[in-house]
Amino acid sequence: GDSVTQMEGPVTLSEEACLTINCTYTATGYPSLFWYVQYPGEDLQLLLKATKADDKGSNKGFEATYRKETTSFHLEKGSVQVSDSAVYFCALVNAGNNRKLIWGLGTSLAVNP
Amino acid sequence: KAGVTQTPRYLIKTRGQQVTLSCSPISGHRSVSWYQQTPGQGLQFLFEYFSETQRNKGNFPGRFSGRQFSNSRSEMNVSTLELGDSALYLCASSATGTAFQETQYFGPGTRLLVL
Repeated sequence: GDSVTQMEGPVTLSEEACLTINCTYTATGYPSLFWYVQYPGEDLQLLLKATKADDKGSNKGFEATYRKETTSFHLEKGSVQVSDSAVYFCALVNAGNNRKLIWGLGTSLAVNP
Repeated sequence: KAGVTQTPRYLIKTRGQQVTLSCSPISGHRSVSWYQQTPGQGLQFLFEYFSETQRNKGNFPGRFSGRQFSNSRSEMNVSTLELGDSALYLCASSATGTAFQETQYFGPGTRLLVL
């Protein structure tokens, strides 16, 4: 079945450092890919998404490119801030499975000033 | 616009009891999905409802059930609770329920502790 693997955390960075959180997937067909984020004390929310190969999702300075050849959707940010401290989840949904999101286990990010 | 609301926020039950959790989607949203979040298994899909019909179901035992009302509000029920049912239960709604890649909006969750 479909699955998502993301790098384990926790990840600790200093402010203004570069961030990459790796995410790879296994799926039949052409799934849509998502990054969700859970800030401390807040609801899980969509950060960005990409619905077809080579699409780049972007939001709040974060980017991720849907790479079908490597089945990857790595999350990147050039300069992190303390406010980016959160848990990041990679997920996919496949046609025929409607809104059944398949999730990675999450990566905790702590950014120190 | 109000977000997804879930009640109660916290619940403590004992083994063998049953529990009902409630979810009110964003106004106008017709699709409601439920997820279980645990430290070991992460987020796992329970089921999805659209127009009062269960449209998709995850790999959970029959003790887990749900329903959706005509106003799109949804409830999930867990009968004969087990210790392993302790988790955060998240509800998510999406607008039209027609596109599989449609964004889902999550509520704060109900944290269930089974003793």
